[in-house]
Formats: sequence, structure tokens, C-alpha cells
Amino acid sequence: KNEVEQSPQNLTAQEGEFITINCSYSVGISALHWLQQHPGGGIVSLFMLSSGKKKHGRLIATINIQEKHSSLHITASHPRDSAVYICAVGRSGGGADGLTFGKGTHLIIQP
Amino acid sequence: EAQVTQNPRYLITVTGKKLTVTCSQNMNHEYMSWYRQDPGLGLRQIYYSMNVEVTDKGDVPEGYKVSRKEKRNFPLILESPSPNQTSLYFCASTRRLAPRWMNTEAFFGQGTRLTVV
Repeated sequence: KNEVEQSPQNLTAQEGEFITINCSYSVGISALHWLQQHPGGGIVSLFMLSSGKKKHGRLIATINIQEKHSSLHITASHPRDSAVYICAVGRSGGGADGLTFGKGTHLIIQP
Repeated sequence: EAQVTQNPRYLITVTGKKLTVTCSQNMNHEYMSWYRQDPGLGLRQIYYSMNVEVTDKGDVPEGYKVSRKEKRNFPLILESPSPNQTSLYFCASTRRLAPRWMNTEAFFGQGTRLTVV
């Protein structure tokens, strides 16, 4: 079973700071997802990536398959970025048995 | 608009009273799954379905049932709820890519907060 570790668990930063959240996993995957969960509970998919780097607005996600590691970066952070960020991985080699999730990083951006 | 719809959003019930949480998606996705989210444990898979009439257990299936009679619907059934099933539940759907299943973007419902007293 894949183990997914996220760090840090909690992060408080000032508005405008550059934010990095890390995710490591233990076995090969087909793809990695970064999800965002706001207070109130809804989960939104930010990125799905299997190699390289993706960018959407102020969010950047990278993955290193060899090192089994991914990072989510937020540039020019804003209080509205405050949320829980969750890393999830899908199993490689076929087999649709769903995602394995990290425990999440609770991010607070202070004005 | 592409979406996964769960109902109800909030539910308080008593031990032993059967309940169903509905999940419906409008994207013609093959793959649907149910997760529960608990503090300190993160999201864990309960059941999943790869297509109509094809379901299988996830990591924590005890006390739950599912059915997939139609592609768009994947209800979660608690035949005899117990307090340890108090949790936040999410339904999710993804598209299945032939010839081998590969991850595609996951769409999540808004969640159902269940309390069993």
C-alpha cells in the first residue's frame, strides 16, 4: 500500500509570501493529484500530474517521479488561499482502486 | 456544469436507523468512489465502482453497502449506522481511459456530514 506523507502539517504565513507544500510517496504511481479543501468541506481538484510541472495562475505543481516527490507552490499568497491542501496518488500499473491521500496541510495566510 | 452532487449535506440520525446518502454525476464517468474523512486520518476509501454493476471494497468497507445500477448514481447505504460512522463523507468520480485505467481529474461532491447518536 502506498504511503503518502505531506509536510508541513500546518503552515501560517504572511500575505505575499511564497509557499511550498511537499508530498512524498512510497511506491510507483500513475498520477498525483493536488486538492484544495476550504472550510465548509468541499474538495476541489487543483492539479493532476504524472511528470514535470504544471502552472495555473499563482499555483505551480511539480513532480519528480524518480524521487517520488511532488511540491505545490503558491506565489504571492493571499488570505483567500487559506485552506487545507491534500496530496493524493493513484496506483500505477492499471487497476482502478482509487486514490491514497496524504493527511493534508492546513495553510493560513494572514493579512 | 460538470459536477458531483451529494445529498444530504448534513444528517443527524440515531444508531440502527438505515440511511442512504445519494451521489450523482453528470459527466458520464465510469469510475465512482466513496471516501470518509476523519480528523488525523485523512480521506480513506470505503467502496469504489469501475462501471455499472461493478463494485469493490476499499480500505474501510465495514458497515457500508453500495450499488451501481445506473452509470450516474452511486448511493452509499448504512444498513445499521453506529456512532463510529460519524464522519464527513465524499463521493468522487473520474473518467476511465482505455485500454488501461489511468488517473484523470477527480471531481468531488460537496460532502455529507453525518452524525450518528
